Amino acid sequence: EMELVESGGGLVQPGGCLRLSCVASGFIFSGYAMHWVRQPPGKGLEWVSGISWNSGRVVHADSVKGRFTISRDNTKSSLYLQMNGLRPEDTGLYYCVKDIGDYGDGRDAFEFWGQGTMVTVS
Amino acid sequence: QSALTQPRSVSGSPGQSVTISCTGTSSDVGADDYVSWYQQHPGKAPKVMIYDVSKRPSGVPARFSGSKSGNTASLTISGLQAEDEADYYCCSDAGRYTYVFGTGTKVTVL
Repeated sequence: EMELVESGGGLVQPGGCLRLSCVASGFIFSGYAMHWVRQPPGKGLEWVSGISWNSGRVVHADSVKGRFTISRDNTKSSLYLQMNGLRPEDTGLYYCVKDIGDYGDGRDAFEFWGQGTMVTVS
Repeated sequence: QSALTQPRSVSGSPGQSVTISCTGTSSDVGADDYVSWYQQHPGKAPKVMIYDVSKRPSGVPARFSGSKSGNTASLTISGLQAEDEADYYCCSDAGRYTYVFGTGTKVTVL
């Protein structure tokens, strides 16, 4: 059974840093692109960052570009999000998400989601 | 990148059909066939219901269907059931390997 477990969230002051982690199990982690998607309290979903299976393609939303960095360690089945220069508008529940395939493979979907880790910038 | 436009809410009685629209631009929804739909119950993680405009993952009931015309995609729930009451979000490839979500629609079963 697939599982994604996020950790690393918390309360941080504006300008501060956090590193989110996500440990995957139940599937071949190295075979899929992975993403971070966030949701501010009571609001909608926002795609944050994505990374291809071999880290060859790394993409960030304009709202976090230059401040956030997505990375992965396939030997540890783990996904990371380094968040620097945090702002109040970065507050939200951050989901680790498994892609249905890899970037550019002719399919597109956020197939499986973790339960999220909460980040509060205040 | 602006969020895709969805109605704030739609409602229907059990057994009826409801359709949720998702309007974007020629740079996202209209650019290719990479539109997906997600169901989110309160306090739960989203779940994919439709991907690549009209494909249903295994385990998703056949009463959920998707389509697209130009810059507008649609999700139809036929034979509405009580457990379909939830928030629904569309999502589209927005070019350069980025993605944009819709504003979200609350579906109420009367």
